[in-house]
Amino acid sequence: AQSVTQLDSQVPVFEEAPVELRCNYSSSVSVYLFWYVQYPNQGLQLLLKYLSGSTLVKSINGFEAEFNKSQTSFHLRKPSVHISDTAEYFCAVKLPGTASKLTFGTGTRLQVTL
Amino acid sequence: DADVTQTPRNRITKTGKRIMLECSQTKGHDRMYWYRQDPGLGLRLIYYSFDVKDINKGEISDGYSVSRQAQAKFSLSLESAIPNQTALYFCATSVHSYQETQYFGPGTRLLVL
Repeated sequence: AQSVTQLDSQVPVFEEAPVELRCNYSSSVSVYLFWYVQYPNQGLQLLLKYLSGSTLVKSINGFEAEFNKSQTSFHLRKPSVHISDTAEYFCAVKLPGTASKLTFGTGTRLQVTL
Repeated sequence: DADVTQTPRNRITKTGKRIMLECSQTKGHDRMYWYRQDPGLGLRLIYYSFDVKDINKGEISDGYSVSRQAQAKFSLSLESAIPNQTALYFCATSVHSYQETQYFGPGTRLLVL
């Protein structure tokens, strides 16, 4: 079975600083990878996803993640964070195929301060 | 209007009580899911339904039951609530595809005393 590890439960960072949120996965077969974001008092929403093709995927608000098969990682990065990026970020993995389900990591709380 | 709605948004109940959480969607998706979120544990899947006649247990279904009344409605019941079911509950939907992006409701915060 597939699994996801997010080692950092909290990441404090100053505004305009770069940030990296780490995600490692475990699977014996190819997987699809996702990052979801949960803003305070809201449900989760998809930030970006890797299905195939280019290993670097980007979101509309400046985040990017790179699929690294040899490292089994899918770290999320942003070169300059904003206060509004304060949220909880969840990495998730899914096996290809329409019958499989998402498995979520435990989440990383990004706290951006001035 | 929100595409995925959950009622109630907040609920306080007592141990032993039966409680139902409801989820409705206007996205026309065939798949619906119930998750619970606990601090430090992320989201865990309780039940999921790939269509009205297809209901499946997730990783933590004990103590819960579900009903898929229509394509747009998926209810979660706690037959006899206990304090360790205190959590944030999310409903999600997706369309039948290999990508399967899930769309989440705003959540129901449940406190069992």
